[in-house]
Amino acid sequence: NFMLTQPHSVSESPGKTVTISCTGSSGSIASNYVQWYQQRPGSAPTTVIYEDNQRPSGVPDRFSGSIDSSSNSASLTISGLKTEDEADYYCQSYDSSNHDVVFGGGTKLTVL
Amino acid sequence: QLQLQESGPGLLKPSGTLSLTCTVSGGSISSSNYYWGWIRQPPGKGLEWIGNIYYSGSTYYNPSLKSRVTISVDTSKTQFSLKLSSVTAADTAVYYCARVSYYDSTGYPALNWFDPWGQGTLVTVSS
Repeated sequence: NFMLTQPHSVSESPGKTVTISCTGSSGSIASNYVQWYQQRPGSAPTTVIYEDNQRPSGVPDRFSGSIDSSSNSASLTISGLKTEDEADYYCQSYDSSNHDVVFGGGTKLTVL
Repeated sequence: QLQLQESGPGLLKPSGTLSLTCTVSGGSISSSNYYWGWIRQPPGKGLEWIGNIYYSGSTYYNPSLKSRVTISVDTSKTQFSLKLSSVTAADTAVYYCARVSYYDSTGYPALNWFDPWGQGTLVTVSS
């Protein structure tokens, strides 16, 4: 089965740039779109990136998404980090072979 | 603005059946552009997809839960529902509902973007 693997945690200082990776286990991650969700403690997830690199209205352009076919991975990059960016981030895609939705395990971002 | 709200019992006993309803407001549940989905999150853990339903009743389920899950839709009430049978403590989680976009992928709907989400409801399985 197709799986998405994320680092358990990352940390960076305010004002810096951080990149969170999401690696596909098999096939091509570029075959289907990847979404990124932000989840703050006690709240439901909200979308920061959809369809690989699209930002919903209201999400600042400090958030960007990309796909790297050579490493079969997607990345979420957050520049100009703010303390309010501290949250869990989940990638999500679709497994065409089994018609399943797949979530990554999540990455805890600490901004300190 | 589309809103989703989960409702249902917050506590049930092992071997029982979990039943939750998601009420959709501010938009049509009968839109041909979307599926409707359930996702859960055990305390302190990550997100797990449960399944999706189209307004026509077509469903897709997580294979690991498929034998215990039923998702249904009532377009007249703008609601869709989740039933999970034979629950154990491992089913204790926050359960979310969400709208799901899709696109055609070689004749099948490729489930895509989950947005918006409901606020979630905690279901605890305990004797």
